[in-house]
Amino acid sequence: QQPVQSPQAVILREGEDAVINCSSSKALYSVHWYRQKHGEAPVFLMILLKGGEQKGHEKISASFNEKKQQSSLYLTASQLSYSGTYFCGTSGQGAQKLVFGQGTRLTINP
Amino acid sequence: DAGVTQSPTHLIKTRGQQVTLRCSPKSGHDTVSWYQQALGQGPQFIFQYYEEEERQRGNFPDRFSGHQFPNYSSELNVNALLLGDSALYLCASSLAPISTDTQYFGPGTRLTVL
Repeated sequence: QQPVQSPQAVILREGEDAVINCSSSKALYSVHWYRQKHGEAPVFLMILLKGGEQKGHEKISASFNEKKQQSSLYLTASQLSYSGTYFCGTSGQGAQKLVFGQGTRLTINP
Repeated sequence: DAGVTQSPTHLIKTRGQQVTLRCSPKSGHDTVSWYQQALGQGPQFIFQYYEEEERQRGNFPDRFSGHQFPNYSSELNVNALLLGDSALYLCASSLAPISTDTQYFGPGTRLTVL
């Protein structure tokens, strides 16, 4: 089952904050977040693992609620470069196959 | 350090033809996964190769097949092309085929079927 992302689209002014949610009906072992700009490859942002471990390399934070099978991505003090479509990909234990949500389109205006 | 590379960048084919797409993984990576991304949608998993074997497969027909070479590069073959096969085909590589490992995507091959 494909995870459900919300909202589908959001428009912000530079400097504002955004939260993007990802919900699954299946038990999750890991949640992977990517950002994709138009015509480009998805760029890795962060992995959240069952048990609380978090791996990432950008100034973006996220949470993983195992009980609710949900993850949220937090973008604070947004910059113009944050514009793009954000995807969450989920996987079960032992399976690297990622099932992606439909994406959240984020537009940052000056 | 070279990232994931894919070729060709764009491809136009007609219905019924066959196509081969190529992927070279990031240096040090031995696992390659292929995804299909239709316009406005998230990527959909096709299959994964590790140690030259198909390890996992998504919900795609047998018209989609692949191969991994000893140098870890990979090919995706699609036979009897349909209009619905038009999409961006993404290759992703990782250090190992485990769910805790990061998958790095290549720039993709845009396939148009006429």
